[in-house]
Amino acid sequence: KQEVTQIPAALSVPEGENLVLNCSFTDSAIYNLQWFRQDPGKGLTSLLLIQSSQREQTSGRLNASLDKSSGRSTLYIAASQPGDSATYLCAALGGSYIPTFGRGTSLIVHP
Amino acid sequence: KAGVTQTPRYLIKTRGQQVTLSCSPISGHRSVSWYQQTPGQGLQFLFEYFSETQRNKGNFPGRFSGRQFSNSRSEMNVSTLELGDSALYLCASSWGGGGTYEQYFGPGTRLTVT
Repeated sequence: KQEVTQIPAALSVPEGENLVLNCSFTDSAIYNLQWFRQDPGKGLTSLLLIQSSQREQTSGRLNASLDKSSGRSTLYIAASQPGDSATYLCAALGGSYIPTFGRGTSLIVHP
Repeated sequence: KAGVTQTPRYLIKTRGQQVTLSCSPISGHRSVSWYQQTPGQGLQFLFEYFSETQRNKGNFPGRFSGRQFSNSRSEMNVSTLELGDSALYLCASSWGGGGTYEQYFGPGTRLTVT
């Protein structure tokens, strides 16, 4: 059974810092890994989708990498802003085609 | 392009009742997946529908069911509600099925069971 862990669970940083959020998964046989952000009481917003054949994806200040052999993905946020404050979730899609989500990293970026 | 819409946004029900939630996917998307999010269990997959057929199902009791219509709109039904069913129910749509395509989520329906 796939298990997805996100570290740290919470993070508070000053504006302007570069951040790394971690996502690890136990079964490396995944089809893809997707990163989302969730604002309080709202749905998820897709940030980046990395297919199993890819090593990384970039969108603006965000960069996500995938290392299937080590069961890890990282989300890099450059020059963080207060608007980046949210919970960030990763989801791994395994052989059962059922996505498994991590519990998320709660990020606060203060001015 | 309009996003995923879910109705109603908030719902209060009593134990033992049943409830139906609705999800309208992004135009052109044929797959709709449903999720339950609670503080205790996090985000869990309920089921996925693609072209009116259930393609996949998570580990939930038979009280949770769903269907998809020919226009790709989907409904989820929960019968004999329990207190533990209180949660944020999210649906997500994608162009293709099986979770291999990028998923777009709706704002969710907040269900409270008293």
